[in-house]
Amino acid sequence: QQQVKQSPQSLIVQKGGIPIINCAYENTAFDYFPWYQQFPGKGPALLIAIRPDVSEKKEGRFTISFNKSAKQFSLHIMDSQPGDSATYFCAARGRVTGKLIFGQGTTLQVKP
Amino acid sequence: ETGVTQSPTHLIKTRGQQVTLRCSSQSGHNTVSWYQQALGQGPQFIFQYYREEENGRGNFPPRFSGLQFPNYSSELNVNALELDDSALYLCASSDRRSGETQYFGPGTRLLVL
Repeated sequence: QQQVKQSPQSLIVQKGGIPIINCAYENTAFDYFPWYQQFPGKGPALLIAIRPDVSEKKEGRFTISFNKSAKQFSLHIMDSQPGDSATYFCAARGRVTGKLIFGQGTTLQVKP
Repeated sequence: ETGVTQSPTHLIKTRGQQVTLRCSSQSGHNTVSWYQQALGQGPQFIFQYYREEENGRGNFPPRFSGLQFPNYSSELNVNALELDDSALYLCASSDRRSGETQYFGPGTRLLVL
């Protein structure tokens, strides 16, 4: 019962490129959409998050675009660096349950 | 401000055994959620604890159980371990009063042989 679908599964860009990761959700009972970055052997670290009443949020080189009507949101990484190479997960938080539903993850490689 | 800590970092068990994993929540956080992350997958919600009571559960059997203590730390117990229980177990803490953000610990890597 996958409620959050993430794509692509993997992504390779050159340094300075702008990788874009997309997520779509099926349930409207979500009220908060965070993105997490995870390095091998580590727990997920919160990168940036957005609420559905906002269409875009920018923090440093990371931007979330949110389309409520289409039930889609995406992460853009500006001026990507080799240190950004990691796995990225989108998630949606249940309004009532408070639990996070994660996408399947995107493995990003930024080549020098 | 201390972050979320988990212990142990790694654990090897055999099928049928029982395991207890521990989590200390971030200072000031009153809610703890547990997730299971299989290799190459996103974390899957197991359950959440608030005020020492289970407050929501994912699609996990009853042999997965937990506790939350008055200091908001938490334990995850898994009985009758199965090979498929091999995964990274993540604990996340949050403050129910002030927001939605869940902060994750480094996880415990469990291998069931």
